[in-house]
Amino acid sequence: DAKTTQPNSMESNEEEPVHLPCNHSTISGTDYIHWYRQLPSQGPEYVIHGLTSNVNNRMASLAIAEDRKSSTLILHRATLRDAAVYYCILSNAGGTSYGKLTFGQGTILTVHP
Amino acid sequence: EAQVTQNPRYLITVTGKKLTVTCSQNMNHEYMSWYRQDPGLGLRQIYYSMNVEVTDKGDVPEGYKVSRKEKRNFPLILESPSPNQTSLYFCASSLFMGAEAFFGQGTRLTVV
Repeated sequence: DAKTTQPNSMESNEEEPVHLPCNHSTISGTDYIHWYRQLPSQGPEYVIHGLTSNVNNRMASLAIAEDRKSSTLILHRATLRDAAVYYCILSNAGGTSYGKLTFGQGTILTVHP
Repeated sequence: EAQVTQNPRYLITVTGKKLTVTCSQNMNHEYMSWYRQDPGLGLRQIYYSMNVEVTDKGDVPEGYKVSRKEKRNFPLILESPSPNQTSLYFCASSLFMGAEAFFGQGTRLTVV
């Protein structure tokens, strides 16, 4: 399975944008890029996913590099509620493991008031 | 409200005493799965089910059983729990494989 690399931690101030990077240099053409986050004492929560084009939803934006070897999750205005562990995950649409989410260590995002 | 419900939320049990953790979803999802979360190891998939009566092993299935007799329910069974199964367990469901996954609130299990 293709792997992802994320920084262990990042910090931001409230109401500022946050850019969370993810490297996936061994990504295959059928790998979708998923982002989930886990707030303290809660189960993981879906944030966004994409394949090639940039994606936007009410929570965040996903910017995917042209060569797809990296992506960035963008929180446009961080709030204290966005403090969580963010996971970047690849899921291969063409493989038998499609649907399985392989969680790495993720990025711990701290948001300062 | 769309949700995945796990019960119990907390459980302390003794080695060897069979237990079942229930998971139920009200979204008519086909795909359901179980994960365990351990410090330093992240979340790892235990079992998954693509639909009723279709289940398969994930990455760490040893010591666990599952069943999928109804679409909404996917219980996790520990026939003979051992201390190394002390963990935080999450059930998840999605409309189909690869779709947005919804997770339950978790079950913290301690086996002494």
